[in-house]
Amino acid sequence: QSVLTQPPSVSGAPGQRVTISCTGSNSNFGAGYDVHWYQHLPGTAPKLLIYGNRNRPSGVPDRFSGSKSGTSASLAITGLQAEDEADYYCQSYDSNLRDVFGTGTKVSVL
Amino acid sequence: QVQLQESGPGLVKPSQTLSLTCSVSGVSISSGSYYWGWIRQPAGKGLEWVGRVYTSGSYSYNPSLESRVTISVDTSENRFSLTLTSVTAADTAVYYCAIGPSYCGGDCYVESWGQGTLVIVSS
Repeated sequence: QSVLTQPPSVSGAPGQRVTISCTGSNSNFGAGYDVHWYQHLPGTAPKLLIYGNRNRPSGVPDRFSGSKSGTSASLAITGLQAEDEADYYCQSYDSNLRDVFGTGTKVSVL
Repeated sequence: QVQLQESGPGLVKPSQTLSLTCSVSGVSISSGSYYWGWIRQPAGKGLEWVGRVYTSGSYSYNPSLESRVTISVDTSENRFSLTLTSVTAADTAVYYCAIGPSYCGGDCYVESWGQGTLVIVSS
């Protein structure tokens, strides 16, 4: 069981906006540690989407955006596309557990 | 462009030692620019950090695995390795090698991943 909690699934129609929450605590986000986000298609290597709360690596579309406030973080996907159907994970550092991933969220495009 | 490739046995017997290697191309391990780490994913479950090490010798291991895990760097072969002792079925997973910037401090992100290799623990 992870200390970073995500909803098991979210869904949306093509073109819509979906958000994925990542709920932490005072020992990770509340302690000032950054959140990072990854997209994972089964059978492939995960891909970095957002680092340092809101920064996109080169090549990641600006449809993906991240934010963090207090002990929570979120990833937003605007203009949802069929190719966005994947698992998404948040990741940070915890004072007690060190490097941690969120529980993961499956995004479905209706 | 950094590329990572895992290799090692796909089947390990319970109580034995799991050993995997990650071959690195596109960057020198001795450059000090990255940390060198391992992440795993059991079937049907989420991602789990195993640990990471730095060329300086410092390291950070998952507390739940710390007594059994060692990550080492081989600068002469430009690769790094994972050793996990006394394995059980719970260690069955896809293992990914991973790297990120060495300057990140505590909350490091993963910049590049290997494709992953499945390790099954079974007699």
